[in-house]
Amino acid sequence: QVILEESGGGVVQPGKSLRLSCVVSGFPLSSSSLHWVRQAPGKGLEWVAFISSDGSERYYGDFVKGRFAISRDKAKNTVFLQMNNLGPEDTAVYYCARDSRRSGHFDSWGQGALVTVSS
Amino acid sequence: IVMTQSPATLSVSPGERVTLSCGASQSISNKLAWYHQRPGQAPRLLIYDASIRATGVPARFSGGGFGTDFTLTISSLQSEDLGVYFCQQYNHWLYTFGQGTKVEI
Repeated sequence: QVILEESGGGVVQPGKSLRLSCVVSGFPLSSSSLHWVRQAPGKGLEWVAFISSDGSERYYGDFVKGRFAISRDKAKNTVFLQMNNLGPEDTAVYYCARDSRRSGHFDSWGQGALVTVSS
Repeated sequence: IVMTQSPATLSVSPGERVTLSCGASQSISNKLAWYHQRPGQAPRLLIYDASIRATGVPARFSGGGFGTDFTLTISSLQSEDLGVYFCQQYNHWLYTFGQGTKVEI
């Protein structure tokens, strides 16, 4: 059974940093690309970041502007999203999602981690 | 690429046939997916490559279209189908989603 489980969300002040984790099970991390997708409260979905199955390729949404970094630890079956210089506009539920075919669609999702940026 | 969905909201009765539309601001070939999101839950993949049902998705869901115009059809709406439906293009970086169609029972 494919499971993705996010953690690390919480309330953070503007300008501060937060690191999200996504632990996967039911498949090896080396077999799939992983993405982060976010959803602001009551809003639609926004693609955030991508890491390839071998970790060699990483891409980000335009709004990231160098503030976020996606990485992975194969031994721990975990993908991370380091978020720096957060602003209120980054408040959202952050989902990690699997892209098993490296095609760009997301076939499995985690339950999400809520990040609230507020003073 | 801007993805535009219509209508924004759809009020329907169980058993009805429902068609949702999604348009792309430029051609995306068949690189389109549909997701369903129930309240308080994560999205779930329904359709990819415009017309292929994902594993476990009931046959009442079907997708079609190519280029810039796409549809998702639910042949006979069930109560568990309520929620928001999003389309997503993956032909071009950066991947983009439509704003969603809310289906109310």
